[in-house]
Amino acid sequence: EDQVTQSPEALRLQEGESSSLNCSYTVSGLRGLFWYRQDPGKGPEFLFTLYSAGEEKEKERLKATLTKKESFLHITAPKPEDSATYLCAVQADFNKFYFGSGTKLNVKP
Amino acid sequence: GAVVSQHPSRVICKSGTSVKIECRSLDFQATTMFWYRQFPKQSLMLMATSNEGSKATYEQGVEKDKFLINHASLTLSTLTVTSAHPEDSSFYICSGSSEQTQYFGPGTRLLVL
Repeated sequence: EDQVTQSPEALRLQEGESSSLNCSYTVSGLRGLFWYRQDPGKGPEFLFTLYSAGEEKEKERLKATLTKKESFLHITAPKPEDSATYLCAVQADFNKFYFGSGTKLNVKP
Repeated sequence: GAVVSQHPSRVICKSGTSVKIECRSLDFQATTMFWYRQFPKQSLMLMATSNEGSKATYEQGVEKDKFLINHASLTLSTLTVTSAHPEDSSFYICSGSSEQTQYFGPGTRLLVL
């Protein structure tokens, strides 16, 4: 069964405390893995696309990595403005997209 | 680039009325658009996938006669919630697909009284 699982559900960090969010997946025919950021009451904002194992992408304090079974979103020295829900999605065969349930990140000053 | 807009951002309607939500890709052509709904503190739930010029494909459990989707052009898709009821109150989000990536609109908050 195709599915995407994100962990942890919620994460509290102190400002400057680096950590990682996990997205594990089991899908047939991975076409791409996507990370989004969603603020309350808003649509998801695109962050990264990863296509193959070993690929890495960075944007400011965020770095996404991909293996054959999971992806990590590393947050280095987070700031309070990084607080949001981070969603992972996987595109499989036949243009099917599967979303994880998200990790709610709270960064305290 | 890859901006998607939605209109209206919020709508309040009476039970039994119909509500139309527009989704536009502003700077790209979206051959495929997706419609989602999201309940508080939950992730996105895909309702339907629409390709320009063809009928939408609805996910299991989504009533196609209640949630009418039209994808008349490469930049516009509409979702009409017909005979809305309070249980239809939710946050509706659309997305357009460009080069395999989905770009999301800002969402529409629907409240049915």
